Amino acid sequence: GNSVTQMEGPVTLSEEAFLTINCTYTATGYPSLFWYVQYPGEGLQLLLKATKADDKGSNKGFEATYRKETTSFHLEKGSVQVSDSAVYFCALSGTGNQFYFGTGTSLTVIP
Amino acid sequence: GAGVSQSPSNKVTEKGKDVELRCDPISGHTALYWYRQSLGQGLEFLIYFQGNSAPDKSGLPSDRFSAERTGGSVSTLTIQRTQQEDSAVYLCASTPMVSGRSYNEQFFGPGTRLTVL
Repeated sequence: GNSVTQMEGPVTLSEEAFLTINCTYTATGYPSLFWYVQYPGEGLQLLLKATKADDKGSNKGFEATYRKETTSFHLEKGSVQVSDSAVYFCALSGTGNQFYFGTGTSLTVIP
Repeated sequence: GAGVSQSPSNKVTEKGKDVELRCDPISGHTALYWYRQSLGQGLEFLIYFQGNSAPDKSGLPSDRFSAERTGGSVSTLTIQRTQQEDSAVYLCASTPMVSGRSYNEQFFGPGTRLTVL
């Protein structure tokens, strides 16, 4: 079946540090992959997505590359800011129109 | 344009009471999803609608939970005889469909925070 496994948190980084949040998936067929972000007190919103192998999604300085060979979609940012503090969810959309979410990774960036 | 809206934003109820949670998806979005997010937890899938039908009800935790969607738009999630473990944030999301498959992201509502005393 389909599932998503992402790095457990919480993650605490200093401002301007490099961020990686690992995400791997199991899926039948060719899923689309997503990263969602939930800022404190707000709802989930799409951060970036990739719909086929080797696609790179990017937004707000964040990037993730759809790696079919390693079934991964790791989220990276070269220099985090305090405003990036949030919970990040990896997700996939499969052939059954179902979405599968990881458990979320909490990120705190300290000045 | 208007996003996904949910009501009420907060609901406090007593154990054993029934509650109804409402979701208004983005106009034209044919797929609608309900999730539950417990404190410090990820998203737990509850049910998915395509139009007014629910091809996937596998996530409903018990027969106390039910949902319906009318007119291909508004959806109501009903929890009967609420228990304390039902306390959570209930999220609704909608998405447009392309050729029978959702290629696009889900658009989430702000959620309803349910507290069962």
